[in-house]
Amino acid sequence: KAGVTQTPRYLIKTRGQQVTLSCSPISGHRSVSWYQQTPGQGLQFLFEYFSETQRNKGNFPGRFSGRQFSNSRSEMNVSTLELGDSALYLCASSPGQGVRELFFGEGSRLTVL
Amino acid sequence: GEDVEQSLFLSVREGDSSVINCTYTDSSSTYLYWYKQEPGAGLQLLTYIFSNMDMKQDQRLTVLLNKKDKHLSLRIADTQTGDSAIYFCAASGAGSYQLTFGKGTKLSVIP
Repeated sequence: KAGVTQTPRYLIKTRGQQVTLSCSPISGHRSVSWYQQTPGQGLQFLFEYFSETQRNKGNFPGRFSGRQFSNSRSEMNVSTLELGDSALYLCASSPGQGVRELFFGEGSRLTVL
Repeated sequence: GEDVEQSLFLSVREGDSSVINCTYTDSSSTYLYWYKQEPGAGLQLLTYIFSNMDMKQDQRLTVLLNKKDKHLSLRIADTQTGDSAIYFCAASGAGSYQLTFGKGTKLSVIP
């Protein structure tokens, strides 16, 4: 069974640009969560989606947004990039509905110059 | 909100047991997780425990939970050099996959 797939794996942007990151969950998984990992702040929760509905949102500015499609694939978007947005963005998937295993992808490493 | 604390570093000799400790603050945390992260990689789920359990064992891994003290530990028996990585403790409530992570413990295994 294929794992969680995130694309792109690496990307470089400049301040003020926007970026879209994609996550394909494990087949059959309906819950997708996003996390930001930085050396200073560690791992911080961004969003959680289940069946196309956002169930939870972390404490991030409105420049960070996400969505989930009917096939459970998810995207997150960051607009007006700032230097501090440089991070590893991790996506996790779970079957949902009471199953507690949460499986992470390899991440998308964003560098903002 | 929830806060999860871990010591930052642990160094052990190959073949010894490693014990990584974690404390959390929210008594309503229902699920507690351990993840492993190797350099340049994502997070690998090692195990998780439900808050009504005291212990969970899976091959070389033993998780102990003291709910009264809000203390979680991960014991790795017969630690190998391949166990060198950063280990994250995380907590979540019952109805959500929103995990609160500790800062991670870097385990170094000395051959």
